[in-house]
Amino acid sequence: NAGVTQTPKFQVLKTGQSMTLQCAQDMNHEYMSWYRQDPGMGLRLIHYSVGAGITDQGEVPNGYNVSRSTTEDFPLRLLSAAPSQTSVYFCASRRGLAGEGVQETQYFGPGTRLLVL
Amino acid sequence: AQKVTQAQTEISVVEKEDVTLDCVYETRDTTYYLFWYKQPPSGELVFLIRRNSFDEQNEISGRYSWNFQKSTSSFNFTITASQVVDSAVYFCALSEAIKAAGNKLTFGGGTRVLVKP
Repeated sequence: NAGVTQTPKFQVLKTGQSMTLQCAQDMNHEYMSWYRQDPGMGLRLIHYSVGAGITDQGEVPNGYNVSRSTTEDFPLRLLSAAPSQTSVYFCASRRGLAGEGVQETQYFGPGTRLLVL
Repeated sequence: AQKVTQAQTEISVVEKEDVTLDCVYETRDTTYYLFWYKQPPSGELVFLIRRNSFDEQNEISGRYSWNFQKSTSSFNFTITASQVVDSAVYFCALSEAIKAAGNKLTFGGGTRVLVKP
């Protein structure tokens, strides 16, 4: 298993440009999510998906779109990049809940470092 | 609302010293999960441990040990006989254990550990 993969590893954008960060997992995990990491703030949830065709907003969704057409893929789209979106982006996945009250561990991809000028 | 506080932003030790990382959390849920992740200089996030709110047994894994105290809402992490390879940023995280919570992990701000030879 490759686990959670992300592309690209590094990207430079100009303000106003759009791009898609790719995320894929080969573990047949139901749950996938996107986080951004900023200095001193830990990781914050942007969007998440509980299964193909189902997505929802996290803590900091503005400026980002997601879709989940397959179980494996969960791309993150920046519609019009802003300097405030300069960050490291992590995709994560985990199995669905085994039952009420049981939480599965999330596994993270290697991250995408984004610089918006 | 959930909150995780890691009051120590950076700890510097000399190799073979023990180091303890503090984690204090807030939640109104009675069932929740706590996690520790390691982020080495290479940038990936490595899962270390998961603990549910009903299991207050301390855990030891090699040189790592965790002390979960529900009474003080703390989940502290100790590295015994530290090594240079332990140099990393360590994150504590909290997750609710209900399906409606989706995929949200709430992270602390992280503690950077620097182990000097």
